[in-house]
Amino acid sequence: DAGVIQSPRHEVTEMGQEVTLRCKPISGHDYLFWYRQTMMRGLELLIYFNNNVPIDDSGMPEDRFSAKMPNASFSTLKIQPSEPRDSAVYFCASSPGRQPGETQYFGPGTRLLVL
Amino acid sequence: ELKVEQNPLFLSMQEGKNYTIYCNYSTTSDRLYWYRQDPGKSLESLFVLLSNGAVKQEGRLMASLDTKARLSTLHITAAVHDLSATYFCAVDTSLTGGGNKLTFGTGTQLKVEL
Repeated sequence: DAGVIQSPRHEVTEMGQEVTLRCKPISGHDYLFWYRQTMMRGLELLIYFNNNVPIDDSGMPEDRFSAKMPNASFSTLKIQPSEPRDSAVYFCASSPGRQPGETQYFGPGTRLLVL
Repeated sequence: ELKVEQNPLFLSMQEGKNYTIYCNYSTTSDRLYWYRQDPGKSLESLFVLLSNGAVKQEGRLMASLDTKARLSTLHITAAVHDLSATYFCAVDTSLTGGGNKLTFGTGTQLKVEL
């Protein structure tokens, strides 16, 4: 398997623009997670899905952030409008989710810079 | 609010030395993970600890979990330069049987000097 795939790998945009990050989980994994990593706040869970349904979005920072999972093989994280403080590395991860204690597999991340 | 604290935050050590990284957390959980992150890279799973007293070992790394003390340790034996990375612990607080909601620690940046 190719692992978790994220695109784009790097994104530079200007404040106020819409940003869409994409993720393809490992085939057969029921859970998908979106994380954000910054120097100041570390690694934070934003939202996660089970079988395409959002389970917990308590980590989503503001209404400017939204996430969708239209099918088992694709998810998006959208920021609209973007702000400089959104600059971070955004990771997508997936896990089988069949039983407790299963590993989450992380994608390569998207490095976002908002100018 | 769950807190997951690691110490030290930074660790510089010489090759061949031993050291321990500590992970303290503030809630009840018997599922704890250790991940490794190389600079500019993604996170790689190292260990999954699923019960009190669990111990896992891989090469020069050994992880343990004490759920009563809410403490996990990552012990490094005879460090080598290739172990230089940032190490994260993460506590699973999910309530259901499947999936896992992880809260990550602050990370410990390890540098092994040649």
